[in-house]
Amino acid sequence: KQEVTQIPAALSVPEGENLVLNCSFTDSAIYNLQWFRQDPGKGLTSLLLIQSSQREQTSGRLNASLDKSSGRSTLYIAASQPGDSATYLCAVRQGGSEKLVFGKGTKLTVNP
Amino acid sequence: DAGVIQSPRHEVTEMGQEVTLRCKPISGHDYLFWYRQTMMRGLELLIYFNNNVPIDDSGMPEDRFSAKMPNASFSTLKIQPSEPRDSAVYFCASSWGTSYNEQFFGPGTRLTVL
Repeated sequence: KQEVTQIPAALSVPEGENLVLNCSFTDSAIYNLQWFRQDPGKGLTSLLLIQSSQREQTSGRLNASLDKSSGRSTLYIAASQPGDSATYLCAVRQGGSEKLVFGKGTKLTVNP
Repeated sequence: DAGVIQSPRHEVTEMGQEVTLRCKPISGHDYLFWYRQTMMRGLELLIYFNNNVPIDDSGMPEDRFSAKMPNASFSTLKIQPSEPRDSAVYFCASSWGTSYNEQFFGPGTRLTVL
């Protein structure tokens, strides 16, 4: 059974800092991995999708990497801003299924 | 596009009552997913549809839960009878095509069962 873990559960950084969020998964037979952002009381916003054949994806200040063989992904946020404060979730889509299996998220606080 | 639309946004009900949650997926999307989010268990997939047909309902917690998709633009998740442990945020999501595509989430329905 696929399990997705995100460490740390919470992170607080000063504005301007570069930071890395971690995601690990137990079964490497995945189709893709998706990073989401969730603001309090809101739904999930898709940030980046990495296919299993890809190593990384970039969007603006965000860069996500995937090492399928080791079961790890990282989300790099450059020059963090207070508006980046949110919970970040990673989810993997298992091979042969449409299911997304989610981690419990990392709650990020960027202090002005 | 307006994105995935869910209603109601908040629902407070008493134990034993029937609850119906509604979802309108993004036009043109052929997959629809229902998730539940709690502090203890995080986000869990309950059921998903492809072209209005239920494909996998193995995440539905028990017979009190049922979901339908009568057409490509509407789905419901029903809980009857509701229990306090059903209190959670329920999300609907949709996507197009195969596993290679992103899922887009609605704003969720926060359900409180007293």
